[in-house]
Parts: sequence; C-alpha cells; structure tokens
Amino acid sequence: EDQVTQSPEALRLQEGESSSLNCSYTVSGLRGLFWYRQDPGKGPEFLFTLYSAGEEKEKERLKATLTKKESFLHITAPKPEDSATYLCAVVGNDMRFGAGTRLTVKP
Amino acid sequence: ETGVTQTPRHLVMGMTNKKSLKCEQHLGHNAMYWYKQSAKKPLELMFVYNFKEQTENNSVPSRFSPECPNSSHLFLHLHTLQPEDSALYLCASSQDAKGGNTIYFGEGSWLTVV
Repeated sequence: EDQVTQSPEALRLQEGESSSLNCSYTVSGLRGLFWYRQDPGKGPEFLFTLYSAGEEKEKERLKATLTKKESFLHITAPKPEDSATYLCAVVGNDMRFGAGTRLTVKP
Repeated sequence: ETGVTQTPRHLVMGMTNKKSLKCEQHLGHNAMYWYKQSAKKPLELMFVYNFKEQTENNSVPSRFSPECPNSSHLFLHLHTLQPEDSALYLCASSQDAKGGNTIYFGEGSWLTVV
C-alpha cells in the first residue's frame, strides 16, 4: 500500500535559520510528488511538482528535491511569513497526502 | 478571485438539517474533487468527478451526496450529519483525473455539526 510520512510534525525556527522538511514515501510507480503550503483556515496552496529522482525546483526561499525514497523542502533564511503547514502528496495508484509539517518562524 | 471558489466558508448545522456546499472552478479543468480535512489527520479523498462522471467514491457514508452538473460546478449535499463530520471540506480541480496532474484547492468550507 502506498504510504507518505512527513517529518518533523512541527518545526520552530528563528528568522534566518535555514532547515529542511522531509517527505518519505513508498509508492508503486511514482507519477508525481507535490508540495503545498496551507495557512490556518485556508485551502492548500500549490508550490511544486516533482516527477523524477534528481529533479529540483525553486521558488523564492524554497527549494524542493526528490530521490527515489524521499523529498526535501529546503527553506533558506526563512521569514515569519513562511510560517504555515507544509503538505506533501504523492501520486502512485492514487493520490495520498502526508499529515504535514507545521512550521513556525519566530522574528 | 481564486481559481476554485467555495461557498459558504462557514456552516453550522444541526444533525437533522439539510444543507449543501457549493464549489465552482474557473480554471477550465475537467476533474473536480471533494476532500475532508480533520485536525491532525491527512487529507481524505471523498469523491472524484472526471468529465462530470463520478469515478471514485472513497467509502463515504450516504449522508454525503455529491452532485456535478457540469465540469465547472460541484456540490456536496449534507443531511443527518453527525458531530464527527465537523471538519474542513475542500473542493479541488485538475486538468483531468489522470494521475500526476496538479490539483488546485479552494479555500474550504468549515462545517460544524451541533
């Protein structure tokens, strides 16, 4: 059965303190891995799609990478406005979401 | 205006009420979805419509009844709900229901069942 696990569950950073969020997956025949950002009380906002191992995508302070077993969302010099829950989803036979990482960036 | 619009944003209903959630997408997509998001749990897929045809019902209780009159509109009819049905209900759309297409979400409808 396809599985997605995100870690850590919660992460607190100081402004400017770079870090990474992890999304580990087990899926038969990966057809895509997605990262979303979700602010409290709002729907998930699409960030990136990765399709094959070795692929990388960047947007402002965020960079997503993909291997055959996991994806990382690297956050460089985060700001308080980066505080949100970050969701990972994988598509194999179907689409499965992880439980998310709740990121808090303190000024 | 967002690509996927949901109304109402907040709904409080009694267990004997009948209400509906509405979703409209302005992205020209052909697939629409209903997801349920409960606290500290992953998003749960409820229903999938592809070109107006229901292609997936993820063992959802019959007190939730979807309707898709065209590729741009999706409804979720609610009746005799239980308190445990209180959650954020998210509508989403994608180009089609083929795996690998990016899914875009609406802002969600917060449902409280009292």
